[in-house]
Amino acid sequence: GQNIDQPTEMTATEGAIVQINCTYQTSGFNGLFWYQQHAGEAPTFLSYNVLDGLEEKGRFSSFLSRSKGYSYLLLKELQMKDSASYLCAVYDSNYQLIWGAGTKLIIKP
Amino acid sequence: TAGITQAPTSQILAAGRSMTLRCTQDMRHNAMYWYRQDLGLGLRLIHYSNTAGTTGKGEVPDGYSVSRANTDDFPLTLASAVPSQTSVYFCASSDESGGAKETQYFGPGTRLLVL
Repeated sequence: GQNIDQPTEMTATEGAIVQINCTYQTSGFNGLFWYQQHAGEAPTFLSYNVLDGLEEKGRFSSFLSRSKGYSYLLLKELQMKDSASYLCAVYDSNYQLIWGAGTKLIIKP
Repeated sequence: TAGITQAPTSQILAAGRSMTLRCTQDMRHNAMYWYRQDLGLGLRLIHYSNTAGTTGKGEVPDGYSVSRANTDDFPLTLASAVPSQTSVYFCASSDESGGAKETQYFGPGTRLLVL
């Protein structure tokens, strides 16, 4: 079966750095996405990786290793507004988007 | 631009009643999707449409139907609601380029409670 694993919950301190990991086992690979979802709101697109390596976008970076079936989202200079769930998703060979259950990130002052 | 709109925002529905959740996008995206999101579970695909006039079943299609008469609209119908359909429903859309689907963008969601 197809599966995406990410930690259920993480806690970090305001101003610090946090890394959220995602491992996937899918039938084929056509790109990996990270979305942010605040409580009671819709998921919003953060980043997209299709080639190995690091993609940087402001305070957020996303890394992909296709050979390891692994990605991480790195959040720097954490702010209270970064408290949200972070969803990892992979397009399989049929362009079906497979979703992880999400990682709830709690930021403490 | 509005992006994707959904209606209603929330609804309480008696079991056995029917209901249509509306979704409209103004981005001229080819593909549209309906997901449900339940606590502790990832987004689960109900139905999708790759282009106007075509629809397909996702992971959890039972009890739901869709239609895609034009590019912009993708309504989801519950013919006879059951309590297990209590969930948050998200509509999404994506463009397609050379056979490859692109980033999915989401509407604000409809919160449905079936009693």
